[in-house]
Amino acid sequence: DIQMTQAPSSLPASLGDRVTITCRASQDIGNYLRWFQQKPGKSPRLMIYGATNLAAGVPSRFSGSRSGSDYSLTISSLESEDMADYYCLQSKESPLTFGSGTKLEIK
Amino acid sequence: QIQLVQSGPELKKPGESVKISCKASGYTFTDYAMNWVKQAPGNGLKWMGWINTQTGKPTYADDFKQRFVFSLETSASTAYLQINNLNIEDTATYFCTGGMDAWGQGASVTVSS
Repeated sequence: DIQMTQAPSSLPASLGDRVTITCRASQDIGNYLRWFQQKPGKSPRLMIYGATNLAAGVPSRFSGSRSGSDYSLTISSLESEDMADYYCLQSKESPLTFGSGTKLEIK
Repeated sequence: QIQLVQSGPELKKPGESVKISCKASGYTFTDYAMNWVKQAPGNGLKWMGWINTQTGKPTYADDFKQRFVFSLETSASTAYLQINNLNIEDTATYFCTGGMDAWGQGASVTVSS
């Protein structure tokens, strides 16, 4: 199975900060990488697909990038509504695997 | 717009069964595979498997091969997840997701004696 190692598990940050969350894939997954945002009691929301493509309706302060087997989600200027859990997902091969999640919280 | 609406919360006893529904609207049901994802309380997301909405063929992740059944009622654009012989560890929210992009609101299952 492909392991997705996500870091950090918790990220205290201030409004206006630039923040980055990273997932490292244990095998080649190409660009079969999605990022999801999940708020308490809600279902996950697709933010980024194909590693770098912004999903419909997602603010432009979110971006995705890839460097080798490392995939990153960056928020350029943190807003209060961005406080949530974030997960990466690889869909290159079955079983699909999620990262362990990052809790983004106000410092 | 694409919507996936799941059935309501369930409270079950160990050993019982539960069947969760996921009704799709706003798109052609057979255009996207239906995946199921488990989230235990305070935990992350775990992919359970998927069902091919054109053929009805299910594929289960290893941890979900024994007591879990994916099925379809294509005429009603509805997918189902049945869990048999429930145990405490099945307490979780279960999400359906079309192609891993559109998600249902989640169905809570609580297993308690």
